[in-house]
Amino acid sequence: QQKVQQSPESLIVPEGGMASLNCTSSDRNVDYFWWYRQHSGKSPKMLMSIFSNGEKEEGRFTVHLNKASLHTSLHIRDSQPSDSALYLCAAIYNQGKLIFGQGTKLSIKP
Amino acid sequence: DMKVTQMPRYLIKRMGENVLLECGQDMSHETMYWYRQDPGLGLQLIYISYDVDSNSEGDIPKGYRVSRKKREHFSLILDSAKTNQTSVYFCASSPGGYYAEQFFGPGTRLTVL
Repeated sequence: QQKVQQSPESLIVPEGGMASLNCTSSDRNVDYFWWYRQHSGKSPKMLMSIFSNGEKEEGRFTVHLNKASLHTSLHIRDSQPSDSALYLCAAIYNQGKLIFGQGTKLSIKP
Repeated sequence: DMKVTQMPRYLIKRMGENVLLECGQDMSHETMYWYRQDPGLGLQLIYISYDVDSNSEGDIPKGYRVSRKKREHFSLILDSAKTNQTSVYFCASSPGGYYAEQFFGPGTRLTVL
């Protein structure tokens, strides 16, 4: 059964620091990864997506993908208190299936 | 202003009662989803609807059914609710299948006593 594993479960980063979040698929048939951000008490909102090997940068956010290791990572530089949230990774599989990971809870300490 | 709406936002029911959760979207999106979110489990897909009367089971459909009679409305029904169905339920819509960005509603917090 396909699973998406995120690590760490929770992370504390000082304001201005770098946050690094990881996500790995258990199944090789993954086509696409999404990253969503969910502030406390709110709904998830799409942050970034990636489907090609390599790196994609949008402002302070960078996503890496290594398809050979079925691994994606999200890096947030110059972290702000407003970045404190639950970060959800979702994998899209070529059989037309979508699986979310359990999330990483990020806390930015002023 | 594109949005997904959910009603009600909070609901308390007794075990065995029927529950109706409603979702609407004003973006004419073909695909709509129902998820539940429990602490430590992320989002679990209950049902996906590809268009009117074209629904498919997700990963945890047992105990739930859905109805989509108009493109803009998607309902989740719990017949005889159980205490383990206490959760936060999110509806989402997207302009295509899984490869398109999903837009989420604000969620419904359901408590089954």
